[in-house]
Amino acid sequence: AQSVTQLDSQVPVFEEAPVELRCNYSSSVSVYLFWYVQYPNQGLQLLLKYLSGSTLVKGINGFEAEFNKSQTSFHLRKPSVHISDTAEYFCAVRIDGGTSYGKLTFGQGTILTVHP
Amino acid sequence: NAGVTQTPKFRILKIGQSMTLQCTQDMNHNYMYWYRQDPGMGLKLIYYSVGAGITDKGEVPNGYNVSRSTTEDFPLRLELAAPSQTSVYFCASSDNYEQYFGPGTRLTVT
Repeated sequence: AQSVTQLDSQVPVFEEAPVELRCNYSSSVSVYLFWYVQYPNQGLQLLLKYLSGSTLVKGINGFEAEFNKSQTSFHLRKPSVHISDTAEYFCAVRIDGGTSYGKLTFGQGTILTVHP
Repeated sequence: NAGVTQTPKFRILKIGQSMTLQCTQDMNHNYMYWYRQDPGMGLKLIYYSVGAGITDKGEVPNGYNVSRSTTEDFPLRLELAAPSQTSVYFCASSDNYEQYFGPGTRLTVT
């Protein structure tokens, strides 16, 4: 079975500073990787995904993530954050295979708080 | 195109009551899912469906039931509500590469 660990439960940062949210995964087979964002009292919205190809993936709102197979990591980065980036961020993994039925395994979430 | 819709948005139940959380998607996706979200725990899969008439248990199915009579609808049933079922419930559908989430139902059992 696969698992996901988000290494920081909370990350405070000042506006316009860079940020990295860390995600490690464990799986015995190849995987697809996702980052979702959840704004207060809303559902989850896809930020970006890695399915194959280039290991550097760009998403919405200026976020990007790098897939590192040797370190089994998929860290999320943004070079300059805005107050509006304050939200909870979830890393998720699914097995690359027909019997996965698209099921995702989520990390525990990282709350990003951007201070003025 | 409304995506995934859920009703109700909020509900308070007494212990032992029953209710159905509704979920509808208009993207013609075969795969649908129910998750619960508890603080600091991420999202846990309750049940999922790979098509009309086909459902299976996820990680935390106890106390819940589902049905899938049409491609569009995937209701979640709580038969005897317990305080441990206080949570936020999300429905999602998938095209097998990305999951699309509804806005959630906040349920309190007292």
